Amino acid sequence: DIQLTQSPSFLSASVGDSVSITCRASQAVNYDLAWYQQKPGRAPDLLIYAGSTLQSGVPSRFSGTVSGTEFTLTISGLQPEDFATYYCQLPNSFPPITFGQGTQLEIK
Amino acid sequence: QVLLVESGGGVVQSGRSLRLSCAASGFTFSSYAMHWVRQAPGKGPEWLAVISFDGINKYYADSVKGRFIISRDNSKGTLYLQMDSLRDEDTAIYYCARSPSGGAWTFDYWGQGTLVPVSS
Repeated sequence: DIQLTQSPSFLSASVGDSVSITCRASQAVNYDLAWYQQKPGRAPDLLIYAGSTLQSGVPSRFSGTVSGTEFTLTISGLQPEDFATYYCQLPNSFPPITFGQGTQLEIK
Repeated sequence: QVLLVESGGGVVQSGRSLRLSCAASGFTFSSYAMHWVRQAPGKGPEWLAVISFDGINKYYADSVKGRFIISRDNSKGTLYLQMDSLRDEDTAIYYCARSPSGGAWTFDYWGQGTLVPVSS
């Protein structure tokens, strides 16, 4: 199975800051990774797919980049509604379909 | 708009069975692969099973293989998860989720989830 290592587990930042979250795959995954945002009591929402493509309706302050097996989610100019937990996911790691361990983004 | 609504959750004793349903609306259900994903308290999502748009192909995570069965009724726009031999570690919120057309198994729409507490 392909392993995903997501870091950091916790992140503390202020409104207006820019933050980055990283997921590293244990082997080549053809630039294909998705990012989700989850708020308490809600299902995850798809933010980015195929490494860097924004899902419809997602603000442009969210961006995804790929470098080899390392994927990065960047949020530029944090808004109050961005404080949530973020997960990466490998769509083509099947079987199984793999999620990262999660990054909890908290207000400093 | 796309809507997925799970039902069928509730407290169940270890070793017993439960069937979850996911009613889909707002899109052509019979054209999309569908998944079940669960999330244990305080944990990240765990993918469980996928069924192809036509119901022919089904795949499972090792943690539920042989105990859970995914199925669908395209005439009713409904996805199912039959869960047998439930264990304490199956306690979670269970979500149904849709994969967008195009083949990659991301999840572009999710239901609100249904809670399944398994008690021993």
